[in-house]
Amino acid sequence: NAGVTQTPKFRILKIGQSMTLQCTQDMNHNYMYWYRQDPGMGLKLIYYSVGAGITDKGEVPNGYNVSRSTTEDFPLRLELAAPSQTSVYFCASRTGVSTDTQYFGPGTRLTVL
Amino acid sequence: DAKTTQPNSMESNEEEPVHLPCNHSTISGTDYIHWYRQLPSQGPEYVIHGLTSNVNNRMASLAIAEDRKSSTLILHRATLRDAAVYYCILSDNTGGFKTIFGAGTRLFVKA
Repeated sequence: NAGVTQTPKFRILKIGQSMTLQCTQDMNHNYMYWYRQDPGMGLKLIYYSVGAGITDKGEVPNGYNVSRSTTEDFPLRLELAAPSQTSVYFCASRTGVSTDTQYFGPGTRLTVL
Repeated sequence: DAKTTQPNSMESNEEEPVHLPCNHSTISGTDYIHWYRQLPSQGPEYVIHGLTSNVNNRMASLAIAEDRKSSTLILHRATLRDAAVYYCILSDNTGGFKTIFGAGTRLFVKA
């Protein structure tokens, strides 16, 4: 299994541009999550999904959108990039059983100038 | 959402045991205590989790207080590779399994 994969690894955006961060998992996990991590800080939950077609907001959803059309994919959309969105973005997945754990992707480092 | 409190940083000597504390005084009866660690420039990785009883695995041990309001991650012999940020989080099992990460404890290991 490849686990959780994220693309791209790095990206530089100009203010106002849009982009989609891709996340794919091959473990047939129902639950998927997007986090952001600012320098020297912990992870903040942006959005999460409990299955295809179902998404919900986390702690810091403003400025982002998500969709979940398949079990495998959970893309994160930035519509109008702002410098405050400069961060490292991590995608994660889990089965949804209470004792299971999250598996994280390698992250996407985004800079907005 | 129940939150956790951890020291910002701790230091250890190589080959010595490390006890990383976590307070979670508002934990609910069904919350699992999970520990993750994040090595430099990587995503977090699972370390250990438990509900009420102490737990051991190949990476670490987890000691949970009887009232479940605190827990301690124990690394039996710290190595330089254990230098990382350690997160203690509570898993919300009531829907979505949302997990709220705090700032964690940055562990420094001296050779």
